[in-house]
Amino acid sequence: AQSVAQPEDQVNVAEGNPLTVKCTYSVSGNPYLFWYVQYPNRGLQFLLKYITGDNLVKGSYGFEAEFNKSQTSFHLKKPSALVSDSALYFCAVRDAGDFNKFYFGSGTKLNVKP
Amino acid sequence: NAGVTQTPKFRVLKTGQSMTLLCAQDMNHEYMYWYRQDPGMGLRLIHYSVGEGTTAKGEVPDGYNVSRLKKQNFLLGLESAAPSQTSVYFCASRSDSRQPQHFGDGTRLSIL
Repeated sequence: AQSVAQPEDQVNVAEGNPLTVKCTYSVSGNPYLFWYVQYPNRGLQFLLKYITGDNLVKGSYGFEAEFNKSQTSFHLKKPSALVSDSALYFCAVRDAGDFNKFYFGSGTKLNVKP
Repeated sequence: NAGVTQTPKFRVLKTGQSMTLLCAQDMNHEYMYWYRQDPGMGLRLIHYSVGEGTTAKGEVPDGYNVSRLKKQNFLLGLESAAPSQTSVYFCASRSDSRQPQHFGDGTRLSIL
């Protein structure tokens, strides 16, 4: 069965410091992985995806993610956090058998303090 | 440049009532999805559609029905609402199986 785990409910970081939001996955076959961000009372917005190729994926708003097959991880990173990055972040994996099924993590709330 | 539009944005129902949530997209996307979001659980797929006239069950389909009579619209129905269906419902669409989904802003549904 496919699944995603986000081990941290909340991450606190000071503005200007690097941030990491963790995600581990379980999937049969090659993983298709995604990161989304959700601001209050809004839908999810796509940040980046990993399908194949380079293990470091660059996305929107200066975010990047590192795919690690041996650790089955896909951690979201940003070199220098902004207060405006404060939001809820979701990791997702696409089902290996049914390309229309996605499994989302429970979300990590990122708080960036001035 | 509307993207994915969900109506209504908020609704309060009594147990046993029925209602329909509407999702409309103006991007000519083939694939459309309905999710529910509950605290601490992320998003769970209810039903989806891979094209006009098609529907399929997701992870949590019980108590819901859907229809896709027009390519741009995907309707989610609750025939007899239950308190367990209190949630935030999100619609999403995408152009093909390799692309990310575009989400609407959600419908907040409370069932008393």
